[in-house]
Amino acid sequence: AQTVTQSQPEMSVQEAETVTLSCTYDTSESDYYLFWYKQPPSRQMILVIRQEAYKQQNATENRFSVNFQKAAKSFSLKISDSQLGDAAMYFCAYRSSNYGQNFVFGPGTRLSVLP
Amino acid sequence: DSGVTQTPKHLITATGQRVTLRCSPRSGDLSVYWYQQSLDQGLQFLIHYYNGEERAKGNILERFSAQQFPDLHSELNLSSLELGDSALYFCASSVVLAGATDTQYFGPGTRLTVL
Repeated sequence: AQTVTQSQPEMSVQEAETVTLSCTYDTSESDYYLFWYKQPPSRQMILVIRQEAYKQQNATENRFSVNFQKAAKSFSLKISDSQLGDAAMYFCAYRSSNYGQNFVFGPGTRLSVLP
Repeated sequence: DSGVTQTPKHLITATGQRVTLRCSPRSGDLSVYWYQQSLDQGLQFLIHYYNGEERAKGNILERFSAQQFPDLHSELNLSSLELGDSALYFCASSVVLAGATDTQYFGPGTRLTVL
């Protein structure tokens, strides 16, 4: 079974600085999808960014970008120009491309943004 | 706003009682997923329905059941409630069962408190 690990339970960053959240996963599959979700204090789960494993190019969404290293099974999230509103729990998630498979979420990283 | 709606937002009940949580997926989405998130915990997958049929079960207790109706809304039934069932229950929906990126979009959650 696939597993997702986030080794940093908590992180902090100064406003306007850059921070990188780590995520590693374990799978024997070659085709899959990876996601980062953000959960602010409101507890709403918000999609931040997604990456298809077959794409070599790293996904980017405005200030959010990923460093996808397929061979290393690593999928880190970089937040540039951090803002106070970025403070949240961040969950990394894996989804197999196989029929009927579901998301596997990591335990989360709590990000604090310091003014 | 993800387009996924959940009712009620908050629910307070007593041990031994039964409750029903409701979810309406995004327009056009056929898959509905239920998750449980206890305080400061990650997401635990409960169950997945696709177009009215159960597709996968996760760590769902026998006291819990779900169904998806012809109009695609879904209900999660929790019975013989225990204090430990207090949690945030999320519903998520996605377009297709497999293929594409099949991103899950989350509702705002129902916060269940069992006293």
